Amino acid sequence: QTVVTQEPSLTVSPGGTVTLTCASGTGAVTSGNLPIWFQQTPGQPPRALIFGTNDRHSWTPARFSGSLLGDKAALTLSGAQPEDEADYYCLLFYGTYWMFGGGTKLTVL
Amino acid sequence: EVQLAESGGGLVQPGGSLRLSCGASGFTFSNFIVTWVRQAPGKGLEWVANIGRNDVDLKYLDSVKGRFTISRDNAKNSLFLQMNSLRVEDSALYYCARWIYNNGWSIDYWGQGTLVTVSS
Repeated sequence: QTVVTQEPSLTVSPGGTVTLTCASGTGAVTSGNLPIWFQQTPGQPPRALIFGTNDRHSWTPARFSGSLLGDKAALTLSGAQPEDEADYYCLLFYGTYWMFGGGTKLTVL
Repeated sequence: EVQLAESGGGLVQPGGSLRLSCGASGFTFSNFIVTWVRQAPGKGLEWVANIGRNDVDLKYLDSVKGRFTISRDNAKNSLFLQMNSLRVEDSALYYCARWIYNNGWSIDYWGQGTLVTVSS
């Protein structure tokens, strides 16, 4: 089974914009990988933010958006807030299994 | 209110077995695909297994195939994970969660997890 790679850590200033990416070891990420993005804060289960590459859940703030960027899936945060400091994980589908990325620790500073 | 509650975790020696359970309430359990996801202390998330609505369409992480078995009892609104031949690297917080489809697949509800520690 493949490896899914994310930036280990990123920093964004309050009010700033940051893009997190998700790369597949099998090649380009496509919509067929059904990319899902999760946010996890300490001591809590994850919470899905984006599914199907770019759809938001009803609870997802509009400042989060998903896309395909080159050969990767991407999560863009526009107008970062202190409460967005968290770990972020992508999840990709490979037909017979799902695979999480290693996660990105996002610091808002 | 949708709720998922895991149980059955604990300390087990390498090579041992454990059976995790997840009780569901607040929704029609049989209508949903459900899943196990684990997280080792201080580490990232790892998808473990999926089970379809009627005990079919099973999917597993390669490293647990042949050792772990996911199953469900829709009459009892319960999900299970039978874990055999446990290894130290299986130590983790095990979450059960629910898949939904709304123009795309996602996971909308999670339990709080049950901790499995494999150690001699």
